[in-house]
Amino acid sequence: AQTVTQSQPEMSVQEAETVTLSCTYDTSESDYYLFWYKQPPSRQMILVIRQEAYKQQNATENRFSVNFQKAAKSFSLKISDSQLGDAAMYFCAYSSSDFGNEKLTFGTGTRLTIIP
Amino acid sequence: GAVVSQHPSRVICKSGTSVKIECRSLDFQATTMFWYRQFPKKSLMLMATSNEGSKATYEQGVEKDKFLINHASLTLSTLTVTSAHPEDSSFYICSATTAGTRFQETQYFGPGTRLLVL
Repeated sequence: AQTVTQSQPEMSVQEAETVTLSCTYDTSESDYYLFWYKQPPSRQMILVIRQEAYKQQNATENRFSVNFQKAAKSFSLKISDSQLGDAAMYFCAYSSSDFGNEKLTFGTGTRLTIIP
Repeated sequence: GAVVSQHPSRVICKSGTSVKIECRSLDFQATTMFWYRQFPKKSLMLMATSNEGSKATYEQGVEKDKFLINHASLTLSTLTVTSAHPEDSSFYICSATTAGTRFQETQYFGPGTRLLVL
């Protein structure tokens, strides 16, 4: 079974600075998907960024980028120019690439606080 | 973008009663819906996978007789918590994938339902 580990329960960063959230995972599969989700106080899950394991290039979405290290099974999220609206719980998640087995396995989350 | 709604957004019920939570895909057809449970300040735990027109697949440890899931149409899945007890109090979230696409590329979450059992 796949597992996802987020070792930082809480992180804080000064507004406009950069912060990196860590995530490691364990799997025996060679092809899979990794995600970072944001859950603000409203509790609505929002997809931040997605990475396909067979793609070597790290995914980027505006101020959000990942450092995907497949051999190390590491998938960290970097948030640049942090904004107050970035404050939320961030969950790392894993999904198999197999049709019919697309369920998400989530990490325990990192609560990000933005300091004005 | 695709929208998933949940109803009700919050519900309070007495112990022993049953509660139904609806998950709807508003502008797309969802062949597969997932139901998650989230305890306060915890992660999301998958409860079951719901495919339209077939029986739901439950995760290990989830009581299928207690958490009844029905996916009767391509836009609606329901989760019924039967004979609810205080320990069932939680935040329930559904997600849906569009038909004919890979879930990993088109996945949408509902806003969640907060259940409090007194």
